[in-house]
Amino acid sequence: GAGVSQSPRYKVAKRGQDVALRCDPISGHVSLFWYQQALGQGPEFLTYFQNEAQLDKSGLPSDRFFAERPEGSVSTLKIQRTQQEDSAVYLCASSSMRDFPGQRYGGQPQHFGDGTRLSIL
Amino acid sequence: AQKITQTQPGMFVQEKEAVTLDCTYDTSDPSYGLFWYKQPSSGEMIFLIYQGSYDQQNATEGRYSLNFQKARKSANLVISASQLGDSAMYFCAMSAAFSYKLTFGKGTLLTVNP
Repeated sequence: GAGVSQSPRYKVAKRGQDVALRCDPISGHVSLFWYQQALGQGPEFLTYFQNEAQLDKSGLPSDRFFAERPEGSVSTLKIQRTQQEDSAVYLCASSSMRDFPGQRYGGQPQHFGDGTRLSIL
Repeated sequence: AQKITQTQPGMFVQEKEAVTLDCTYDTSDPSYGLFWYKQPSSGEMIFLIYQGSYDQQNATEGRYSLNFQKARKSANLVISASQLGDSAMYFCAMSAAFSYKLTFGKGTLLTVNP
């Protein structure tokens, strides 16, 4: 398809288990973002990649969260030793912006996937 | 740091009427971008409209327009001729120039009544 694809759509895990969430961005988009959306809240930034380089991981809530994009395309967000507070929707977005910094007046629109709803029991 | 405030948790509008969703922002950056996204119950975030801080004219995209008042730091979304399919959560977001991450508000749930 033409849009951002995320899998799985839903994930249920027991507390303490490790989980891996996949994002396949729009073809040709060099920038990829992960956001966490708690119930009833707006998305919050987790991390950003430009091609395979992780340029910002300041939003990752703890060292249990790890993201990678080894070939500059598909990305995986991994959460180790999951906790109940990790329950949320994890959104992936991609953008066609190629030059950073220097975006016109604050950046290009980001195109989001449908998200992965993670529930930790 | 940027901050987005959406003070309307929920809004109701009759089909075919116009509705305004409020958004105020706070930033110390001179250059920034403002975005509105729609999130239906299915969960995807759909980009609607963008306004740059130096754009002289208010942005428009079909039935969507952004009422940008820079001095008041507001970026309200106006939806004209509401349709039942417009029922969704609407998020205002911003990013600063030379940045990339979006900062979102808490959203407004719009319900369009037939």
